[in-house]
Amino acid sequence: GENVEQHPSTLSVQEGDSAVIKCTYSDSASNYFPWYKQELGKGPQLIIDIRSNVGEKKDQRIAVTLNKTAKHFSLHITETQPEDSAVYFCAASTWTGFQKLVFGTGTRLLVSP
Amino acid sequence: NAGVTQTPKFQVLKTGQSMTLQCAQDMNHEYMSWYRQDPGMGLRLIHYSVGAGITDQGEVPNGYNVSRSTTEDFPLRLLSAAPSQTSVYFCASRLSGGGILETQYFGPGTRLLVL
Repeated sequence: GENVEQHPSTLSVQEGDSAVIKCTYSDSASNYFPWYKQELGKGPQLIIDIRSNVGEKKDQRIAVTLNKTAKHFSLHITETQPEDSAVYFCAASTWTGFQKLVFGTGTRLLVSP
Repeated sequence: NAGVTQTPKFQVLKTGQSMTLQCAQDMNHEYMSWYRQDPGMGLRLIHYSVGAGITDQGEVPNGYNVSRSTTEDFPLRLLSAAPSQTSVYFCASRLSGGGILETQYFGPGTRLLVL
């Protein structure tokens, strides 16, 4: 089955710096890659996603890139702000009769003022 | 529109006790699922349902039961709680489980401690 690895597990940056979180997946048939942000005490919330027919997608300060050949995708956050501090999860979706999400282990991002 | 709601927010159980974690959604979503979140292990799928009356196992189903009698509700039952079930449990839903790639919405979670 699908396996998703996520790095780094923790990431500390200064306010205004950029942050990059990387994920690799194992199943070449995976075709949907969402990113979730989880704030303390809350459930994960979708912040951006990308389909396998697209190489890059941007939404204001966040962007996701996908390299299907290498089977990895990355989340890029520019001009980080303290409110970006949270745990970020990547996921890959495979088809097993329905779309099933497999999650990475999460990255704790800390943005210091 | 409340989205996905879960109760209780926090629960302490003794080993061997049983309980039901409640999950409800008001978005008329066909697909609902339960995950557990443990440190360093991300979110792991316990059980899922693609519609009322249809459920199936995820990757870590042992010790848990589910049923789906209505579109709105998807309770998770712990039959005999064990310390290994100490975790944070999230319910999630999306419009369908079919070939359409849709946003999956998560509830706020239930933190469970088994002593």
